[in-house]
Order: sequence, then structure tokens, then C-alpha cells
Amino acid sequence: GENVEQHPSTLSVQEGDSAVIKCTYSDSASNYFPWYKQELGKGPQLIIDIRSNVGEKKDQRIAVTLNKTAKHFSLHITETQPEDSAVYFCAADAGGTSYGKLTFGQGTILTVHP
Amino acid sequence: NAGVMQNPRHLVRRRGQEARLRCSPMKGHSHVYWYRQLPEEGLKFMVYLQKENIIDESGMPKERFSAEFPKEGPSILRIQQVVRGDSAAYFCASSPAGVDSPLHFGNGTRLTVT
Repeated sequence: GENVEQHPSTLSVQEGDSAVIKCTYSDSASNYFPWYKQELGKGPQLIIDIRSNVGEKKDQRIAVTLNKTAKHFSLHITETQPEDSAVYFCAADAGGTSYGKLTFGQGTILTVHP
Repeated sequence: NAGVMQNPRHLVRRRGQEARLRCSPMKGHSHVYWYRQLPEEGLKFMVYLQKENIIDESGMPKERFSAEFPKEGPSILRIQQVVRGDSAAYFCASSPAGVDSPLHFGNGTRLTVT
């Protein structure tokens, strides 16, 4: 089955700096890669996603890059703010299923210091 | 426009009791997923349902766990004879279609087995 590895497990940055979180996946048939933000006591919230026919996608301060050859994808947050502090999860779909059967990474605790 | 509603938010059960977790998908969504999150881990897929049908239950333990999504009413995840290892956060997600649709998660039910 699919295996998703996420690094780092914790990330601490100063407000205004950039943050980068990286994930690798094992199933070459995977073609959908979402990123979720989870705040304490809440469910995961989709912040950005990318499909395998696209190499990069940007939404304001958030961007995701995908390298299908190397089977890795990354989340980039620029100009970080204290409200960006949360746990971030990457995920990959179970290749070939096309529906919402996702394998999640272990999560990254991002702390943005004012 | 209400999101995915899960109840109860917190559930305490003694070993051997039954736990029933409810999920009402977003309006217009007919696809429901259940995920489990153990402390400090990512989410793990359990089951995917459409109205009156289980599509994929490959992530659900074969014993004691069952799920349904009836024609009327919420989806139910049922755990019989709970054990301490069942303590976790259980998240429900919904999507408008099965294929290529982002998942929208609820805020979860936190089950504690004493």
C-alpha cells in the first residue's frame, strides 16, 4: 500500500520567514496530493492540493510543488504569521482509486513566533 | 451553509460498552469517509460509504467495527465491545462526488475508553 513520509516533525520560524514542509510517497500511481491544516481540537482543513498533471500551484502565501519522478511534494508558506501555527499534514491518494482514500503523513507542528 | 457535523464531540465509554458516532455530511454531499487519528499521528482511512452502500472498508478492523450510511439520516460508525486501544479521534469527511472531489472534514469525535 501507499506510504507517505513527512519531514520535519516540528518546525519553528520567526514571523515573516518562510516555512517548507516536505513529503515523499511510495505509490507511483498516486495522482492527487492535498495539504491539510489542523488546529487544536478541530478537524483537518484543506489548504491547497495538486494533481499529477501540474508541477506547481500557488494560492496567495501558500504554494505546493510536485516532482512525480522523485515522488516527492512540498508545501511552501511565505511571510508566515502567528495564525499559521498549527499541525500540517500532507496526503496522497491510493493510486488508481480516484476517490477520497488518502494516506496521510505523520504531520508537522509549525510554530510561528511573533 | 453548515459543514460536516459530527456528534458527540467527546464520548467516554467503559471497556466492553458500545460506541456510536454520528456524522451528517455537508448539504449536497452523498459520499462519506471515516478516518481515525491516534494521538500524535496522521489520519488513517477506515471506510468509504455512499448512501446505503459500503464502497471500501479496507481500513476498518474486521471485528467489532461497522459503518452505515442509510437513505435517511446520518452516517453511523459503531464500535462494539470497546477496548482501550480504540481511544482516538474519529473524523468524518464528505464530498459531493466520489471521483476527484476534495474531502471536507468535521471536527471529530474524541473517544476515550476507560
